[in-house]
Amino acid sequence: QKEVEQNSGPLSVPEGAIASLNCTYSDRGSQSFFWYRQYSGKSPELIMSIYSNGDKEDGRFTAQLNKASQYVSLLIRDSQPSDSATYLCAVNEGGSYIPTFGRGTSLIVHP
Amino acid sequence: KAGVTQTPRYLIKTRGQQVTLSCSPISGHRSVSWYQQTPGQGLQFLFEYFSETQRNKGNFPGRFSGRQFSNSRSEMNVSTLELGDSALYLCASSNQGGLSGANVLTFGAGSRLTVL
Repeated sequence: QKEVEQNSGPLSVPEGAIASLNCTYSDRGSQSFFWYRQYSGKSPELIMSIYSNGDKEDGRFTAQLNKASQYVSLLIRDSQPSDSATYLCAVNEGGSYIPTFGRGTSLIVHP
Repeated sequence: KAGVTQTPRYLIKTRGQQVTLSCSPISGHRSVSWYQQTPGQGLQFLFEYFSETQRNKGNFPGRFSGRQFSNSRSEMNVSTLELGDSALYLCASSNQGGLSGANVLTFGAGSRLTVL
């Protein structure tokens, strides 16, 4: 049974701070890792993908992958109230087209 | 380019009825997946279609079915509705491209089903 675990939160951070979101997965064969953002009442949208160990930066977002420890994280620098949303971690086993989603972490950025 | 289009956006049904939801993927995307999202269970995978064939199926009862047409548009059907079927049903399409775009899903706005 593939599992993707996330702390449901809410994670509350002040505006301008760094928000750190974490995700662990059970399948060691996993090859592709994604972070989706879902605003309340909206559908998920992709914000980051990462495929190899290390860090990947895109603007204020940094995804970090550690396959040995089976975790992937998302850092949001200079957090803004507009970043308040639920962040979903999704993991694909190698060769599988179907990602397994975590239940998401609710992030609240307060002014 | 146009995104993933789902219809209807909202619908209310009563127990025992059946419902059909439609999804038009991004042009050129041949893979269409369906998910059920509820507050308690999160995003649950229903099934995935590729070139008119169901390629993957989640752990849902046979009341949940789907199909894909030659133009990649997909429909899902839920028969004999139960109260617990109330959820947001999300469709996502993928181009199943190279590694840089592998398995990236683009979601539609969803169809919110309420079963009374």
